[in-house]
Amino acid sequence: GAGVSQSPRYKVAKRGQDVALRCDPISGHVSLFWYQQALGQGPEFLTYFQNEAQLDKSGLPSDRFFAERPEGSVSTLKIQRTQQEDSAVYLCASSLSAGAYEQYFGPGTRLTVT
Amino acid sequence: AQTVTQSQPEMSVQEAETVTLSCTYDTSESDYYLFWYKQPPSRQMILVIRQEAYKQQNATENRFSVNFQKAAKSFSLKISDSQLGDAAMYFCAPGSYKLIFGSGTRLLVRP
Repeated sequence: GAGVSQSPRYKVAKRGQDVALRCDPISGHVSLFWYQQALGQGPEFLTYFQNEAQLDKSGLPSDRFFAERPEGSVSTLKIQRTQQEDSAVYLCASSLSAGAYEQYFGPGTRLTVT
Repeated sequence: AQTVTQSQPEMSVQEAETVTLSCTYDTSESDYYLFWYKQPPSRQMILVIRQEAYKQQNATENRFSVNFQKAAKSFSLKISDSQLGDAAMYFCAPGSYKLIFGSGTRLLVRP
């Protein structure tokens, strides 16, 4: 079946613009995660959904970051008033069940803020 | 806070040989899992192997195996019969639901 997909794959934003990044998880997967990966580093956790409920948003770096998953499937990560330090690859992952099951990652969205 | 240390920024192995990538971690969780992920230059993160922390038996997956030492909080990955396609960044990632990633080890495979 289809894997996790993310769109757009690349996004260039001028500083101060708002951006929206989309994640389509594997069909039927309960859990959805967002991670941020800076160049040359490992991914860092941003937020976690179980179905439509956002159970952990402790990794969101500021109140400019907002994520939603209103119907328990597709998720959107929104960044308001982008800053240069937001430049990174944003990875989405989904897993079949709650808890530490295998997470399957999408290809990521590379965000560049100029 | 959970931390993950991958002390080898880069490793090199001859094709068909064996290489071991090291990982140590610190966690206050009592129930957790550990994963090794591979990230080729295309950036798609691929799951290599999974270990349940409550299991003493080390996980194996074809040419990949782990040496899990729970008391020492060590979780190394052994790749046997290395292939050119194994070249990638490898990340160690323990977690109870969210994963905490190390900084990665770049594996080079020499033909």
